Amino acid sequence: NAGVTQTPKFRVLKTGQSMTLLCAQDMNHEYMYWYRQDPGMGLRLIHYSVGEGTTAKGEVPDGYNVSRLKKQNFLLGLESAAPSQTSVYFCASSYVSGLALDNEQFFGPGTRLTVL
Amino acid sequence: AQSVTQLDSHVSVSEGTPVLLRCNYSSSYSPSLFWYVQHPNKGLQLLLKYTSAATLVKGINGFEAEFKKSETSFHLTKPSAHMSDAAEYFCVVSHGNQFYFGTGTSLTVIP
Repeated sequence: NAGVTQTPKFRVLKTGQSMTLLCAQDMNHEYMYWYRQDPGMGLRLIHYSVGEGTTAKGEVPDGYNVSRLKKQNFLLGLESAAPSQTSVYFCASSYVSGLALDNEQFFGPGTRLTVL
Repeated sequence: AQSVTQLDSHVSVSEGTPVLLRCNYSSSYSPSLFWYVQHPNKGLQLLLKYTSAATLVKGINGFEAEFKKSETSFHLTKPSAHMSDAAEYFCVVSHGNQFYFGTGTSLTVIP
């Protein structure tokens, strides 16, 4: 199992450009998440999905869009990149358990995005 | 509402001495609690988790944490630090499939 993979690993954009980050998981997990990590702020949730075809806003959704057309993939889009979106982006997935207390997240290796 | 406070943003210890990383949580429900570790330029790896079984939880690499409901704490400890423990550590509380992260504690291990 590859677990959670993210594409690309690094990207540099100019202000106003668009791009899509791809997250893929091969663990048949229902839930998927996109976070951004900034120094001193931990991880902040951008958007998440509780199943194929569903998405929901997290703590910092502005400037991002997501899609979950296939269960194994969760895409994060930046329509018009801004320097404030310079960050490290992590995708995660988790499973649905009969015991809701027994879930954990599995993380991808991250995408380092710089917006000039 | 759920939240996590990591009481120290930076901790330095000498190699071979104990490690203590502090975490307090707030939760309206019986929480699940996790510690994750992030080595430089890497993703997050689960160290251990508490899910209402034993209050003393053992994780990987010699780490353990104790859930104390009366103190709303879930501190991470290790008896003897190793150089390879130098990393960022995150305490996380969850309910269902919502996860709330602390701001992280950076652990430095001095040789």
